[in-house]
Amino acid sequence: IVMTQSPATLSVSPGERATLSCRASLGVGSKVAWFQHKPGQAPRLLIYGAFTRAPGIPARFSGSGSGTEFTLTISSLQSEDIAVYFCQQCDTWPVTFGQGTRLEIK
Amino acid sequence: QVHLQESGPGLVKPSETLSLTCTVSGGSLSRYFWSWIRQPPGKRMEWIAYTSYSGSVNHNPSLNSRATISVDTSKNEVSLRLTSVTSADTAVYHCAGHMWGFRGDAFDVWGQGAMVTVSS
Repeated sequence: IVMTQSPATLSVSPGERATLSCRASLGVGSKVAWFQHKPGQAPRLLIYGAFTRAPGIPARFSGSGSGTEFTLTISSLQSEDIAVYFCQQCDTWPVTFGQGTRLEIK
Repeated sequence: QVHLQESGPGLVKPSETLSLTCTVSGGSLSRYFWSWIRQPPGKRMEWIAYTSYSGSVNHNPSLNSRATISVDTSKNEVSLRLTSVTSADTAVYHCAGHMWGFRGDAFDVWGQGAMVTVSS
């Protein structure tokens, strides 16, 4: 299953909304996870099951979608949100990942 | 809080075997299935293999049987061997864990990764 993310890079002003997309080549139900990855750090699970926030994740992060189309939304961008975000389908092994969206401050 | 620390050689010559170790601390090895996941420079993450505490394994067919994952419960370690390496195996190698039926089977613990370069 190929996971395709868009856009490759997203520039957003502080306090504005960021919307990241992930498309699966086959339906994966709601079994999509989103991760935040900062350079030199371990990736951090943000969202699992398409829309459930992982423990400790701020409420400004939300996920939606099912089937083949998924969205990660950051409602009000903070400076600490600058990172690469990638999606993963957890439905079928081998599990696969999107190529990532780099989120920048405008 | 589970902590994962990857360790490895840093540099491996083409055609040789790459060996990596993931040390698990701060939690029970038995709760998770442990995976190796890699990210070549500028490319997406690729899942390589997983193992359970009891040694039940699954490998990604894309590696053409070059990868072998194993677990040493006495040392709280998960290891990866990758044979016949080429420059295409240059990547950051991450250790990660997931639990079946929990958190959507997503990898909810990760190590920060170990960079491995294949070069003569």
